[in-house]
Amino acid sequence: GESVGLHLPTLSVQEGDNSIINCAYSNSASDYFIWYKQESGKGPQFIIDIRSNMDKRQGQRVTVLLNKTVKHLSLQIAATQPGDSAVYFCAENMEGGADGLTFGKGTHLIIQP
Amino acid sequence: NAGVTQTPKFRVLKTGQSMTLLCAQDMNHEYMYWYRQDPGMGLRLIHYSVGEGTTAKGEVPDGYNVSRLKKQNFLLGLESAAPSQTSVYFCASSYSNVQPQHFGDGTRLSIL
Repeated sequence: GESVGLHLPTLSVQEGDNSIINCAYSNSASDYFIWYKQESGKGPQFIIDIRSNMDKRQGQRVTVLLNKTVKHLSLQIAATQPGDSAVYFCAENMEGGADGLTFGKGTHLIIQP
Repeated sequence: NAGVTQTPKFRVLKTGQSMTLLCAQDMNHEYMYWYRQDPGMGLRLIHYSVGEGTTAKGEVPDGYNVSRLKKQNFLLGLESAAPSQTSVYFCASSYSNVQPQHFGDGTRLSIL
């Protein structure tokens, strides 16, 4: 199948700054996108999702932006904290398709004090 | 709130041995999934189920079998383990394929 990828394997930010993690997807038929956070030794934890009929969705300290024209997804984390250190994965799916999510390779977010 | 529970958490097998990984969810989800995660990679779908008694192949199904005899349980079997199956295995469940999947904490499997 087509894959979802990330632009950077590692992102280092200062504590308190905003973080932006990017993701490119290739399947133009995908209509559901989701971000996960994975801490060492644990399973992926849901952060936020967005459907293709939206271009922005906000949660607590997080915002997901979807640009369908260029097939780009981003996760913005406001006022990054030490607890935000983790690997972040974007994933996609298609409504009506029963397959599981297609995951990108992940971005390791490192928070510098 | 248990969510998704995987057992065992760790296991070491010899090549050719068989074993079953267990996954249980208490959220009444219809959909369940098995993924594997290898170093530096995202998760890849092995098999999935859209309801009790149904299973289907994912991206990397070879060498694995699954069963969904009860709605809350999804079993992943390795009939004859191979070193290439050394990985971390994650189970997930969801209400539908466009709802968030909830993951367990994984089973770390080493095949010698």
